[in-house]
Amino acid sequence: DAMVIQNPRYQVTQFGKPVTLSCSQTLNHNVMYWYQQKSSQAPKLLFHYYDKDFNNEADTPDNFQSRRPNTSFCFLDIRSPGLGDAAMYLCATSGTSGTWEQYFGPGTRLTVT
Amino acid sequence: AQSVTQPDIHITVSEGASLELRCNYSYGATPYLFWYVQSPGQGLQLLLKYFSGDTLVQGIKGFEAEFKRSQSSFNLRKPSVHWSDAAEYFCAVGPPRDMRFGAGTRLTVKP
Repeated sequence: DAMVIQNPRYQVTQFGKPVTLSCSQTLNHNVMYWYQQKSSQAPKLLFHYYDKDFNNEADTPDNFQSRRPNTSFCFLDIRSPGLGDAAMYLCATSGTSGTWEQYFGPGTRLTVT
Repeated sequence: AQSVTQPDIHITVSEGASLELRCNYSYGATPYLFWYVQSPGQGLQLLLKYFSGDTLVQGIKGFEAEFKRSQSSFNLRKPSVHWSDAAEYFCAVGPPRDMRFGAGTRLTVKP
C-alpha cells in the first residue's frame, strides 16, 4: 500500500543535542509538509516543500530546518532542542490535483530531557 | 488569512446515537474544507473533503458533512456512532499548501 512512513516513532533527545526526524513516502507526491502538534492542540504547519522549493512559515523558529534530498524523503532537523520543542511531529504529503488533500504519517513523538 | 473554529472541545454521545461536530471557517475565497480524525498517538486520517459540487459530502466510516456558505460552516455528521469512533476530530480549511486546522473536538462514546 502507498503510504507515508516516519522514523523513528519515538525519539528522546537531550536539551541542546541536535536531532533529525525522517519521513518517506511511496505516493510519489510533489508536496511534503512538516507539522508540530503539542498535546491537545491542533497541528501547526512548520514548512513544506513543493518539489525542491522550500516554503517556511513566518513564525517557524530558526532552530527548525528541513531537507528534501529527493521526491521520496524529507527530514526535519532541530538544531538545539529546547524543552518547549517536545511534541508530536507529523509529516504529510499531497499531490497537486483536485483538493490537494494531505496524507499523514503516524508521527514521531519527541521527548526532550 | 484563513481560520477555523471548532466550538466544542469535548463531546460525549452514547453508542448508537447521532453525532454532529461543528466547524466554522473564515476565508475570503471558495475554501478547500477537510475533516480529519486522529486516534491517540496516531497520525491524521482524512474522513472527507469539499471544494466544489454537491454541498453534502460523503466520507469514509459512515461520516458526512454539509457545506453551508451562508453560515461559513462545514459540520460533520454521523447517524449512529460506534464505540470505535472515539477519537479527536479536526476540521481544516485551505487553500492548498497552507491548510489551517481547528483546535479539535474530542469525542467520547458511552456504552
